[in-house]
Amino acid sequence: NAGVTQTPKFRVLKTGQSMTLLCAQDMNHEYMYWYRQDPGMGLRLIHYSVGEGTTAKGEVPDGYNVSRLKKQNFLLGLESAAPSQTSVYFCASSDRGGWDEKLFFGSGTQLSVL
Amino acid sequence: DQQVKQNSPSLSVQEGRISILNCDYTNSMFDYFLWYKKYPAEGPTFLISISSIKDKNEDGRFTVFLNKSAKHLSLHIVPSQPGDSAVYFCAAQNTGNQFYFGTGTSLTVIP
Repeated sequence: NAGVTQTPKFRVLKTGQSMTLLCAQDMNHEYMYWYRQDPGMGLRLIHYSVGEGTTAKGEVPDGYNVSRLKKQNFLLGLESAAPSQTSVYFCASSDRGGWDEKLFFGSGTQLSVL
Repeated sequence: DQQVKQNSPSLSVQEGRISILNCDYTNSMFDYFLWYKKYPAEGPTFLISISSIKDKNEDGRFTVFLNKSAKHLSLHIVPSQPGDSAVYFCAAQNTGNQFYFGTGTSLTVIP
């Protein structure tokens, strides 16, 4: 029962470096999301996708890009990492976008930008 | 601006007693509310939800109460068990739109 899998689990970057976080789900969910969690703040939505080939901006999209080329994968990219992007990143998926929607989360990626 | 607030960062309760976690929201358009539980080094997992057409939803030891006029919801855990020790996040949604999460409450159940 893999559910939502995130890779890598930990990463340290230098300012200006780029990286891609991979999220994969095996539940055939249409909707996928990227959140970040920071101390003293709730989970904040970065970008989301309502289906293969679609993406949309969330609450805090600046500095990130995403792609959903395959239904099961949702990639989060940082083109030029900044210390403000030090955070824990969670990917989530859900099987519907209406009432009674439930998010299924991955275990997170701890990213530090020095 | 936080639309969903959990004003208690932490809570300690004796095993067997009731744990009450609180959550307040500001957006009257929210019509669906959820609680998630998170253990260290794991992602949040869904615990219980409630629609705005209800004022109570129960699932085993967990009950969520919704007071729409006060824009307040609470999660009751009875009886509390050591395995309930985790961070609990409240979340709210205007159906079909994005979820807004609170900052979390860390619950410690003391054996």
